[in-house]
Amino acid sequence: AQSVTQLGSHVSVSEGALVLLRCNYSSSVPPYLFWYVQYPNQGLQLLLKYTSAATLVKGINDFEAEFKKSETSFHLTKPSAHMSDAAEYFCAVSDDGGFKTIFGAGTRLFVKA
Amino acid sequence: GAVVSQHPSWVICKSGTSVKIECRSLDFQATTMFWYRQFPKQSLMLMATSNEGSKATYEQGVEKDKFLINHASLTLSTLTVTSAHPEDSSFYICSVHTGSSYEQYFGPGTRLTVT
Repeated sequence: AQSVTQLGSHVSVSEGALVLLRCNYSSSVPPYLFWYVQYPNQGLQLLLKYTSAATLVKGINDFEAEFKKSETSFHLTKPSAHMSDAAEYFCAVSDDGGFKTIFGAGTRLFVKA
Repeated sequence: GAVVSQHPSWVICKSGTSVKIECRSLDFQATTMFWYRQFPKQSLMLMATSNEGSKATYEQGVEKDKFLINHASLTLSTLTVTSAHPEDSSFYICSVHTGSSYEQYFGPGTRLTVT
């Protein structure tokens, strides 16, 4: 069975600082992995996805994530936080091409001025 | 990608009434749509997979007679919450899987409040 664990329900960073949101997954087959962002009262927007190609995945708005099989991790990073990055971030895993997708509990990112 | 809309964006109804939420795929013919619910400050929980022209597949613990799903066309799926109760108050989100890009495209969500 698949599962996703996001470490830290809340992360606070200063504007301009590095953003690191942690995600560990469990899957019995090579997984597809995703990071989504959700702004208040809105749906989810895809930031990036891993589909068994390059292990370092670059997404929108300078976000990137690295797939580390040995650590079963897919942490999300951004070199410099902007105020507009404040939102809820969800890591997700799928083992069937993104059909049945399991979401992590989410991490709320706060950005301080 | 796919552009997905939901209607209404928010709805308030009285306990015991039924509410229908529409999910439309505006630029893609979707054979498969998904319905999720999200409680405040929590993650998305998959409720059911909506299949065009056939019965929806419900996740364990989701009452299919309470949450009626109809996917009558390739661009429209509806979720009807029957005999709604306050505990059904939630944010309902639909998504479309295009089959070619491994990702899902989400609608903006519908906030349901049952009084």
